[in-house]
Amino acid sequence: ETGVTQSPTHLIKTRGQQVTLRCSSQSGHNTVSWYQQALGQGPQFIFQYYREEENGRGNFPPRFSGLQFPNYSSELNVNALELDDSALYLCASSPGTGVSYTFGSGTRLTVV
Amino acid sequence: DAKTTQPTSMDCAEGRAANLPCNHSTISGNEYVYWYRQIHSQGPQYIIHGLKNNETNEMASLIITEDRKSSTLILPHATLRDTAVYYCIVPPFSGGYNKLIFGAGTRLAVHP
Repeated sequence: ETGVTQSPTHLIKTRGQQVTLRCSSQSGHNTVSWYQQALGQGPQFIFQYYREEENGRGNFPPRFSGLQFPNYSSELNVNALELDDSALYLCASSPGTGVSYTFGSGTRLTVV
Repeated sequence: DAKTTQPTSMDCAEGRAANLPCNHSTISGNEYVYWYRQIHSQGPQYIIHGLKNNETNEMASLIITEDRKSSTLILPHATLRDTAVYYCIVPPFSGGYNKLIFGAGTRLAVHP
C-alpha cells in the first residue's frame, strides 16, 4: 500500500503571494488533516476534511483554506502569505475520524 | 482538553530499554493516550495507543497507570534509529472529529 505523499517538497514564496500544497492520502483513507510545524515546535492542527467536507478547524485565520476531492486527496491553500507562514506543512490521513494517522513527509514552505 | 507533560529530553544507551514517561492527570474516562514520534525531517509516525489496559505491538509497549493519570512508553531494545522526538497525546473528541494536539514532546537521544 502507498503512504501519504505531499507535493512539492520545498517551496519559496514572496510575502503577499498565494500558495497551494497538495496531498494524496493513503489508499482506503477518507479523512485528511493538515498541520503546520514551525521550526523547533510541535505540529499545530489547521483543519480536517472528512468525505469532502471540513470537519473541524484549529486556530488559523480564514486565509488558510482547503479542499478534499472525491478520491480523498486534498489541497491546502494559503492566501496573502506572511513571513510567519514559513513552516513545514504536514498532511495526515486516516480511515475515518480516528487518530491513528499516517503522515506525509511534509512541504517546507519559506516565505521571503 | 487533557494536557500532557513530558520531560524535555532523555538519553538511552543502544540496546537498553528506553522508558519515556508522560503525565496526563486531567484525562477523561473515555479519552485515549496516543504516542507518536518524529524523526528529524520526517512526518510524525504513529507508535501505539491505549485506554486503560497495557498495550504492546511490534514497536513498543504502553503502560498506563490504574488511575490513568500517567503512562510510560517503553522501547525494549533502543537502536540509534529510535533517536527522535516522542509525543504523548490525549486527543480531545469534540464535534464528531478528533485532532492531535502536539506539545513539545521528549527528545530521545540513543547513543552507542
